[in-house]
Amino acid sequence: GIQVEQSPPDLILQEGANSTLRCNFSDSVNNLQWFHQNPWGQLINLFYIPSGTKQNGRLSATTVATERYSLLYISSSQTTDSGVYFCAVHSGTYKYIFGTGTRLKVLA
Amino acid sequence: DAGVTQSPTHLIKTRGQQVTLRCSPISGHKSVSWYQQVLGQGPQFIFQYYEKEERGRGNFPDRFSARQFPNYSSELNVNALLLGDSALYLCASSLALGGEKLFFGSGTQLSVL
Repeated sequence: GIQVEQSPPDLILQEGANSTLRCNFSDSVNNLQWFHQNPWGQLINLFYIPSGTKQNGRLSATTVATERYSLLYISSSQTTDSGVYFCAVHSGTYKYIFGTGTRLKVLA
Repeated sequence: DAGVTQSPTHLIKTRGQQVTLRCSPISGHKSVSWYQQVLGQGPQFIFQYYEKEERGRGNFPDRFSARQFPNYSSELNVNALLLGDSALYLCASSLALGGEKLFFGSGTQLSVL
C-alpha cells in the first residue's frame, strides 16, 4: 500500500520563526489534506490540497502531485501553533492514509 | 451548524468487556469513517459507511463492528476488549465517498485496564 512519510518528526521553534513541514508519498494520490492535532486531540482541517498552492493567513501549503510531495509553511509561528501536524492522502480507495506526523513545539 | 459530535468523551473499561462509541456527522454529510489513533502514531482507518452501507474496512479484527443509521449517525462497537484497544477513537464525516474533505470529531479516549 501507499506509504506516507513526514519530516522532520520533531521541531522546536522560537515564537516568530518560520518553518517548513514536508510530506512524501510513495504513489500517486487524488487528494491530500493537512491537519493540526491540538493538545486535546482534536484534528483541525488546515488545507484540502490535491495539487497547487493555497494560503490561509500565516499558513500556506503546496502539493506537487507529479513529484509526490506536499509542503506546509508556517510563518511567524505562535505558541498556539504547537501540536502535531499530519498529512493524509487519498489514492482512490475508500480511506485516507495518514502520515507519521510532525510534532511542533513553539517556545515563547 | 454543529460539527461532528462524538460520545462519550472518555471511557474506562476492563479487558473482555464490550464498548459502543457514537458519532453524529455534520448535517448534510452522508459518510462516516472511524479511525483509531494509538498514542504517538497517526490515525489508522477502521471503517467507512455511506448511505448506511459499509464501503470500506481496515485491517482490524472481527471484534470491531459498526453501523450507520437512517439519520447518518454511526456506532462503533468493540467486543472482548484487549489492553491494546486503548486508544483515541476518531469519527470523521464527509459529504460523500471518495476523497472528499474529512471533518473530525474530538474523539473518544478509551482506556482498557
